[in-house]
Amino acid sequence: KAGVTQTPRYLIKTRGQQVTLSCSPISGHRSVSWYQQTPGQGLQFLFEYFSETQRNKGNFPGRFSGRQFSNSRSEMNVSTLELGDSALYLCASSFTGTGALYGYTFGSGTRLTVV
Amino acid sequence: DQQVKQNSPSLSVQEGRISILNCDYTNSMFDYFLWYKKYPAEGPTFLISISSIKDKNEDGRFTVFLNKSAKHLSLHIVPSQPGDSAVYFCAARGNSGGSNYKLTFGKGTLLTVNP
Repeated sequence: KAGVTQTPRYLIKTRGQQVTLSCSPISGHRSVSWYQQTPGQGLQFLFEYFSETQRNKGNFPGRFSGRQFSNSRSEMNVSTLELGDSALYLCASSFTGTGALYGYTFGSGTRLTVV
Repeated sequence: DQQVKQNSPSLSVQEGRISILNCDYTNSMFDYFLWYKKYPAEGPTFLISISSIKDKNEDGRFTVFLNKSAKHLSLHIVPSQPGDSAVYFCAARGNSGGSNYKLTFGKGTLLTVNP
């Protein structure tokens, strides 16, 4: 079955702009989580959506937001981009969000560069 | 406050020998631990996990050991192969209440297996 699909793979934006990233989970998975990976901080949890509701949120400013649609696809939005937002943004899906047994399946990520 | 720590940024091992990757955590509420492998330009791939009620889990060449009293886990790869060269992330699952789970990751250890 198809894996987790993230689009676009690469993105270059200017400071102050906004960006929307997309994630399509594995078919049947209802939980989608977003992570930011930077060289200095590793992978940091942004938020998790389950059945269109945000269930969990990490310690990121309000410029980072997301949503989930009825088909479980999720989008992440970053407004007023800063240079420090340059990172690899990863999406992970799981059936229930518990991650038990098989963990969470990650997409290949979207590489965002802010200039 | 880094709750999951991988103190070795890198590890170099000879092919055929054992690779031991270590991870320490501080939050005693973590109930599930996972290891992920990540190649450049790809998302993390689930390797193996262990519940906090166990002290060992084995899957082929990969074994994870958990020492709850020391809040320490390790991943053993035997025998190591050049294809194992990647960044390895330790992750811990925390329960924020109800079914609100999120993963907290370490910063990763770059494993290089030399032929």
